[in-house]
Amino acid sequence: AQSVTQLGSHVSVSEGALVLLRCNYSSSVPPYLFWYVQYPNQGLQLLLKYTSAATLVKGINGFEAEFKKSETSFHLTKPSAHMSDAAEYFCAVSDRASGYSTLTFGKGTMLLVSP
Amino acid sequence: ETGVTQTPRHLVMGMTNKKSLKCEQHLGHNAMYWYKQSAKKPLELMFVYNFKEQTENNSVPSRFSPECPNSSHLFLHLHTLQPEDSALYLCASSPGTSGSGEQYFGPGTRLTVT
Repeated sequence: AQSVTQLGSHVSVSEGALVLLRCNYSSSVPPYLFWYVQYPNQGLQLLLKYTSAATLVKGINGFEAEFKKSETSFHLTKPSAHMSDAAEYFCAVSDRASGYSTLTFGKGTMLLVSP
Repeated sequence: ETGVTQTPRHLVMGMTNKKSLKCEQHLGHNAMYWYKQSAKKPLELMFVYNFKEQTENNSVPSRFSPECPNSSHLFLHLHTLQPEDSALYLCASSPGTSGSGEQYFGPGTRLTVT
């Protein structure tokens, strides 16, 4: 069975500071990993994905994540936070490369950005 | 229209009403999903359809009835709901064939049961 743990339900940063959102996963097979962002009253938008190619994955809006197999982690980072980054972020894992996917989501981390 | 669309965006219904949520994807995908997102709870997968066939039903109460007439459309029929069913209902789609398994989400329907 797969699982995802996101450390910290809320993370607060100042504008311009480094953003670090933590995600650890459990999977019995090589995983496919995703980060999604959700703005208030909207659906989830795919930020980036890891699919067993490069371990450092770049996504939209300046975000990137690094897959570390030894640590079973896939932390999301952004060098400099912007006010518009305030949203909820979800890490997800899938074990399927073909057929329909079943994503297991973490509980989410709310990112708060202060001026 | 592009991506995944959902209508209505907001719905208020009484416990004795019958209503339906609609989802349409314009991505050429073959798999579609319904999720429930409640406050302070993880995303809950409700139903999965792959090539119009229901492949997963995660112990969802029978007051929720999905319908998938083709690979582009997905409905969620609601009847005799309870207040605890108030939530954001999200639809998603994925290729359903080879690929990395990412899903693309619609904006959701905010449902309030009174």
